[in-house]
Amino acid sequence: AQKITQTQPGMFVQEKEAVTLDCTYDTSDPSYGLFWYKQPSSGEMIFLIYQGSYDQQNATEGRYSLNFQKARKSANLVISASQLGDSAMYFCAMRELSYTGGFKTIFGAGTRLFVKA
Amino acid sequence: DGGITQSPKYLFRKEGQNVTLSCEQNLNHDAMYWYRQDPGQGLRLIYYSQIVNDFQKGDIAEGYSVSREKKESFPLTVTSAQKNPTAFYLCATGHGRDRGFQPQHFGDGTRLSIL
Repeated sequence: AQKITQTQPGMFVQEKEAVTLDCTYDTSDPSYGLFWYKQPSSGEMIFLIYQGSYDQQNATEGRYSLNFQKARKSANLVISASQLGDSAMYFCAMRELSYTGGFKTIFGAGTRLFVKA
Repeated sequence: DGGITQSPKYLFRKEGQNVTLSCEQNLNHDAMYWYRQDPGQGLRLIYYSQIVNDFQKGDIAEGYSVSREKKESFPLTVTSAQKNPTAFYLCATGHGRDRGFQPQHFGDGTRLSIL
C-alpha cells in the first residue's frame, strides 16, 4: 500500500514567489517523523526539514516551512521566495519503527520543481 | 571530515557478473541503508542494517546481497540474478532508536549500468 503520496509530478514557480509541494501519508503508528529532502540533478540527497508527529508547532528552517495537518495526514512543504537554485526534485519521507525495532524510511515518488527567471 | 563515502561513482556490469558497491561511514551511526532509485522515481529500500552482523531485507532485496562485518562498512553486491540492475544506488546512515527520529544522511551515490 502506498504510504507516502506526492500528487504533483512537476511544478513551476516564478522566481521570488512562494510554492507549496504536497505530501500525504498513511500510518497507524502514533509516533513517526516526517522529512523533506531535495535532490539536485547531481543526485545527492539534501535534508531540508523535519516534523515529529507529536510536535505542536509547524517546523521552519529558513525559507522552508512544513504545513503539518495531522488529522488530514498531510505534510506540505512551503518554499518562500523561490530561487533559481531551488530547481530540483523534492521528496517527502516518513520514518517509523519497523517490525525489527529499528527505523525504516519510506519515500514518496517526488515532485520536480522548476523555478522560472 | 565526517561523512559517507560511496564508491565507485560510476560502475558498469557485464551480463552474468556480480559487482559490489562500497559504502563507508565515519559518522558513528548504528544504522545503514541501501536504496535504489530509477530515473524520475523515488527511493526504494533494498537492505538495511541496525547493528553489526545483522541486516534485514527491504522492499526489493531480490538479486542483491549485503554484509555488515564492521560498523563503518555496508557493501552491496548486485548479483547476476538482478536482471535489471541499471539504476542510481544510494547508501544512507542513521541513528539508532534511542536517538529518536533523526534524519538520514546520504552518500553521493553510485550509477550502475549494464554493458
